[in-house]
Amino acid sequence: DTEVTQTPKHLVMGMTNKKSLKCEQHMGHRAMYWYKQKAKKPPELMFVYSYEKLSINESVPSRFSPECPNSSLLNLHLHALQPEDSALYLCASSQDHLGRSSYEQYFGPGTRLTVT
Amino acid sequence: SQQGEEDPQALSIQEGENATMNCSYKTSINNLQWYRQNSGRGLVHLILIRSNEREKHSGRLRVTLDTSKKSSSLLITASRAADTASYFCATAPPQGQLTFGSGTQLTVLP
Repeated sequence: DTEVTQTPKHLVMGMTNKKSLKCEQHMGHRAMYWYKQKAKKPPELMFVYSYEKLSINESVPSRFSPECPNSSLLNLHLHALQPEDSALYLCASSQDHLGRSSYEQYFGPGTRLTVT
Repeated sequence: SQQGEEDPQALSIQEGENATMNCSYKTSINNLQWYRQNSGRGLVHLILIRSNEREKHSGRLRVTLDTSKKSSSLLITASRAADTASYFCATAPPQGQLTFGSGTQLTVLP
């Protein structure tokens, strides 16, 4: 199984809402990532989990809160978002990380988030 | 910071023609990777070329890497309408994160 799944596919939320994005992989990968992608732009790294521990936070605002309950699951909790946070949120996984990025990443289909 | 810059930003060709996309980067790398993204979807890994490799093939894809010029190219031969997508190069430095280039939007006309 080389699939990364993400739910929901689409999410519309108000600025006062709390919601969560979910990501799952069953490839035995020990590194998982959250990216944010705006239209016609490349993905921007937000967080990296390595062996279920947060290893990188790319100065992401605290209204985004990641969580890695186990080696297969990755969540992104959203609270008090702004309209400019509207984007495609992509989850990815790779074989390993250990501070390096040498392995290919497998991406989920993304969650299209709209903040109203 | 954005490591790779891709050229051209957009490319439109007829089905059956070859498509070439270029990627330039600034710092040393362990490897360079190419990804494809269909509109509004996730990225799909296409090919990885290591810093000690000069050329790699996978099906209709051919990737070259010139570390002295800090550049790479992706050639898609005999293009199909289904190849229409955005293509991103991504550089993997010795330490640090995979960084994506600005992307090339390829349109293959039937």
